[in-house]
Amino acid sequence: TQLLEQSPQFLSIQEGENLTVYCNSSSVFSSLQWYRQEPGEGPVLLVTVVTGGEVKKLKRLTFQFGDARKDSSLHITAAQPGDTGLYLCAGAGAGGTSYGKLTFGQGTILTVHP
Amino acid sequence: NAGVTQTPKFQVLKTGQSMTLQCAQDMNHEYMSWYRQDPGMGLRLIHYSVGAGITDQGEVPNGYNVSRSTTEDFPLRLLSAAPSQTSVYFCASSYAGWETQYFGPGTRLLVL
Repeated sequence: TQLLEQSPQFLSIQEGENLTVYCNSSSVFSSLQWYRQEPGEGPVLLVTVVTGGEVKKLKRLTFQFGDARKDSSLHITAAQPGDTGLYLCAGAGAGGTSYGKLTFGQGTILTVHP
Repeated sequence: NAGVTQTPKFQVLKTGQSMTLQCAQDMNHEYMSWYRQDPGMGLRLIHYSVGAGITDQGEVPNGYNVSRSTTEDFPLRLLSAAPSQTSVYFCASSYAGWETQYFGPGTRLLVL
């Protein structure tokens, strides 16, 4: 079973601060997805990273896939209250019984105070 | 397109009762899955299907049954509800298991 450790579990910051969420594993993934979930709704995809070392930017959000494709990070610059939500990483299995399946991290609950 | 729809939105059951959570998608996706979400544990895969007539177990399948008679529908059945099944259940669909997952709004289940 592949495991994805996501940290921190909780993050409470002031508007304008920067933050980074980490997603780590001892397993290799073929791709890594980041989702954002708002209360009462299902997760919605933010980005998918596929290549080791890949960096993708989505406005103030920067996503990075580790060189070995075992870890990823999400960096938010100048956080805003609208960024508040649950952030989930999900790795796509690269082989064996995990091939073709997604493994989700535990999630990071982000609260940005005005 | 409605995307992925789930019914009911909320349900309260007594221990031992049975019920079916409904899930439907109109995106012609072959892959559908059920997850449960519990605080601090992310999303855990219960069952999944790669196409009509084909289902398989995920990480936490015990106490749940599924079937896939059509491409559109993927119901989840609880045969004898237990308090440990209190959770939020999400159905998702996609072109493949490793592709973008499109989630429904969830069903919040409380088992007393």
